Amino acid sequence: SQTIHQWPATLVQPVGSPLSLECTVEGTSNPNLYWYRQAAGRGLQLLFYSVGIGQISSEVPQNLSASRPQDRQFILSSKKLLLSDSGFYLCALTLDNSGNTIYFGEGSWLTVV
Amino acid sequence: SQQGEEDPQALSIQEGENATMNCSYKTSINNLQWYRQNSGRGLVHLILIRSNEREKHSGRLRVTLDTSKKSSSLLITASRAADTASYFCATDEAAGNKLTFGGGTRVLVKP
Repeated sequence: SQTIHQWPATLVQPVGSPLSLECTVEGTSNPNLYWYRQAAGRGLQLLFYSVGIGQISSEVPQNLSASRPQDRQFILSSKKLLLSDSGFYLCALTLDNSGNTIYFGEGSWLTVV
Repeated sequence: SQQGEEDPQALSIQEGENATMNCSYKTSINNLQWYRQNSGRGLVHLILIRSNEREKHSGRLRVTLDTSKKSSSLLITASRAADTASYFCATDEAAGNKLTFGGGTRVLVKP
């Protein structure tokens, strides 16, 4: 079965510093990949999704970007972090384009100070 | 704006009682799913109900879907302290290939 690895699990970064969160997938190929952000005690906000290598769709304007250099790698980046970027970032996948069950990684906690 | 909105935002019940939460959405969907999240963890899939289904059961979970009202409910029967978590609905929009989550219902089951 598929597994999703996210790292780092926890990150504290100063305002203005760069960010790179990595997500890798095992056990499947050609998944749809997603980055969600969850503020403390809140719901999930879809940030980016990707249906294939190099294909990124952005859901909200922001200072974050995403890349998919390989089929099973999804990276969330920022050149300069803002305080408002703090949150819980979840990588997820679905296995086909019909939007079936979504599988989540364990998340990365980002605190911008 | 969010496609799915859960109601209530928070729910506190005694062990053994039933917990009911609702989800409303705005656009046509292929299916609706419910997920559970323990504090600080990833979400775990609970149940999926397709747009042509009206009710579905899984163990102590019962999900209903009313496409005419664009709403769904999740019922947890005979709740246990271990059911304490946040519960989210997610909709798979008919026009797209992504899931959109609501704000969640935080459920506290007191022993």
